[in-house]
Amino acid sequence: DQQVKQNSPSLSVQEGRISILNCDYTNSMFDYFLWYKKYPAEGPTFLISISSIKDKNEDGRFTVFLNKSAKHLSLHIVPSQPGDSAVYFCAATIAGGTSYGKLTFGQGTILTVHP
Amino acid sequence: SQTIHQWPATLVQPVGSPLSLECTVEGTSNPNLYWYRQAAGRGLQLLFYSVGIGQISSEVPQNLSASRPQDRQFILSSKKLLLSDSGFYLCAGGRRYTEAFFGQGTRLTVV
Repeated sequence: DQQVKQNSPSLSVQEGRISILNCDYTNSMFDYFLWYKKYPAEGPTFLISISSIKDKNEDGRFTVFLNKSAKHLSLHIVPSQPGDSAVYFCAATIAGGTSYGKLTFGQGTILTVHP
Repeated sequence: SQTIHQWPATLVQPVGSPLSLECTVEGTSNPNLYWYRQAAGRGLQLLFYSVGIGQISSEVPQNLSASRPQDRQFILSSKKLLLSDSGFYLCAGGRRYTEAFFGQGTRLTVV
């Protein structure tokens, strides 16, 4: 059972335009969400996160939006740059309790930003 | 800052051979440690996690095992590799429950 889903395997965007990456989850217990960026043959690096008590978190060109009622989150990159080309993973966790920081990842979306 | 060291970067092993991947952590004490696997065309799947020395929890049944002999050392092992064990293995650690820092990964090809 895929609890975190990224239904778009790939996304192609022109440099300077907005990139919107989407993620859906099914487990209503998830209360903390993260986005990771991954280059080939490297480990993922943390990008931005959001707690379920918020509906928006912004860090420079990156903004994450959370819609709890729809169990949906999205990552906006504005403006997109060629260096943003990578695989983006959405992840979710249950903060505290016995989750021990275990992350449930989506399948990833390959973002390609064309010059 | 926290750093995860993982080696080797690539590994080609014959079916039936043993496996040992090592991961060490710098910059923090008593971290939670994790082994993830990314199979071809799929997302990251949590294999094992550890909250302390000698404490290992397995998330999925498989041909692999994990051990944590020291606070900052996490080892992934197999006695006999299968073709299906091929994939990209990632060690991760986090002192905060809401983030995980990843190593560079090991590309394992079982032939």
